[in-house]
Amino acid sequence: KAGVTQTPRYLIKTRGQQVTLSCSPISGHRSVSWYQQTPGQGLQFLFEYFSETQRNKGNFPGRFSGRQFSNSRSEMNVSTLELGDSALYLCASSPGGAETQYFGPGTRLLVL
Amino acid sequence: ELKVEQNPLFLSMQEGKNYTIYCNYSTTSDRLYWYRQDPGKSLESLFVLLSNGAVKQEGRLMASLDTKARLSTLHITAAVHDLSATYFCAVDGGYGNKLVFGAGTILRVKS
Repeated sequence: KAGVTQTPRYLIKTRGQQVTLSCSPISGHRSVSWYQQTPGQGLQFLFEYFSETQRNKGNFPGRFSGRQFSNSRSEMNVSTLELGDSALYLCASSPGGAETQYFGPGTRLLVL
Repeated sequence: ELKVEQNPLFLSMQEGKNYTIYCNYSTTSDRLYWYRQDPGKSLESLFVLLSNGAVKQEGRLMASLDTKARLSTLHITAAVHDLSATYFCAVDGGYGNKLVFGAGTILRVKS
């Protein structure tokens, strides 16, 4: 089975812009979670989608949003980018229950 | 709020030695995960521990879970250089597949 894929892998944006990141889960997986990884804050949960519904959300401002499509692919959007949004954004998929989450390679975002 | 603490945060070991990484968490949970991350790479799943007393082993790594003590350990036996990586524990943070991660333990195995 193909693993979790994320696009793009690298991205450079400037403050104030917005960005959309994409995640394709492992075939058959219906849950997609998003995490932000920074040297200062570590790995932090952003949100999780299952069957196109957001089931849980972390403590991030409303500038961070996401959605999931009927084929389980997910996108996250960050509007009005700030310097502090520079991070590795990881998505993870699982079948749907509390099983192991499998992580994609990540999108490294640099905000200048 | 669930908090997960790992220690040590940095571990420098000689090849062939044994050591243990500890993961404490603050509220009840029956699911704990260990992941490995190589520099510049994503997270690789190592173990999932689902019940009190669970023990899993893979190669030189063995993980255990004590839900009463809210403690998991990752034991490294006879370390080799290839084990150098950052190891994270993560605890099930509730509904919706939320994982709460520890800060990670950077492991360096010196030959």
